[in-house]
Order: sequence, then C-alpha cells, then structure tokens
Amino acid sequence: KQEVTQIPAALSVPEGENLVLNCSFTDSAIYNLQWFRQDPGKGLTSLLLIQSSQREQTSGRLNASLDKSSGRSTLYIAASQPGDSATYLCAVHTDKLIFGTGTRLQVFP
Amino acid sequence: DTGVSQDPRHKITKRGQNVTFRCDPISEHNRLYWYRQTLGQGPEFLTYFQNEAQLEKSRLLSDRFSAERPKGSFSTLEIQRTEQGDSAMYLCASSPGAVSGNTIYFGEGSWLTVV
Repeated sequence: KQEVTQIPAALSVPEGENLVLNCSFTDSAIYNLQWFRQDPGKGLTSLLLIQSSQREQTSGRLNASLDKSSGRSTLYIAASQPGDSATYLCAVHTDKLIFGTGTRLQVFP
Repeated sequence: DTGVSQDPRHKITKRGQNVTFRCDPISEHNRLYWYRQTLGQGPEFLTYFQNEAQLEKSRLLSDRFSAERPKGSFSTLEIQRTEQGDSAMYLCASSPGAVSGNTIYFGEGSWLTVV
C-alpha cells in the first residue's frame, strides 16, 4: 500500500530564508508527483508536477526534485516571503492522487 | 476556463439528515475525483469517475455515501443519515484525458459540519 510522508510537519522561518520541504513515498510505481499549496480553509492549488521520467521542475522561486528509485521528492523555496505561508502537500499519482499530511509553513517578516 | 466549481461551500446539518454536494469540473475534463479532508490531515481519496463510469471507490465510502456523474459532466456526492464523524471538507478535482498522470485541478471544497 502506497504511503506518503512529509517532514517537517511544521516550519516557521524569517523572511528571506531558503527552505527545503521533504516528501517520501513507499512504492516507486508512480506516474508522477505533484506539489500543492493549501491556504487555510481553501482548496488546493497545484504548484508543480514532475513526471516520473523527470528529475526536477522549476517555477519561479520553486524547484521540485524527484528521485523515484529512493522514493523521495523535495520542494525548494528560494528567498521565502510572508505570502508563502500556507500548507504544502505532496501527492503521488497512481490511478489517483495519494497525499501526505503536509508541511505547515509560516514565514514571518 | 472557470476552474472546478463546488456547491455549496458550507453546509451545517443535523445528525441524521441527508446532504448533497455538487461539483462542476473544468470543461471537457474526463476524470473527476472526490476527496475528503479533515483538519490537519491530507486529503483522502473517496472515488473517481472516467466520464460517467465510476472506476474506483475507497473503503472510506461507506454505504451511506453515493456519488454519481450522469452524462459525464457534473457530479454529486450524497451522504445519507449524516454522522458527526462526517464533518470534513469534501474536495472535488478534475483532470483532462483518459490516462492517469495528468495534472489534477481542485475546487475550493465544500465544508460539512454535522451537529
């Protein structure tokens, strides 16, 4: 059974720091991996999708890597800003998305 | 492209009542998913459709839950005889194409509170 784990569960940092959020999964038989952002009480916003054949994807200050063989992905956030404060979820695609429990990020000025 | 739309956004109901949520996916998206999310947890898969066919149902979807997608467009999720443990956010999502692995887009969710 596929299980997805995210660490840390929560993170509080000052503005301007570079951050790494970690995601691990137990079964490497995935189509791809998707990172989402969720603001309190809101739905999920897709940030990055990494195909299983890819090693990384970049969008602005975000960079996500994927090492399928070791069952790991990282989301790197450069020069963090208070507006980045949210919960970040990773999810692996099999025939559906299987989510981790998220990393709750707070960036303070 | 107006995104995935869910209605109602919030619902408060008494235990034992039935509730129905509606989801309108992004136009021409073939796949539609339902998830449930409780506080502090990641979303949990409930069921998904490929057009009008319901392809998979989670064990979380007890016999009090039923989902439909008539004509392969909008979908409804009905919960009968609600219980307090059903209180959660119900998320709908859609993706294009007939294969797994395409980007999945989520709606804003429907909050259910059972009192």
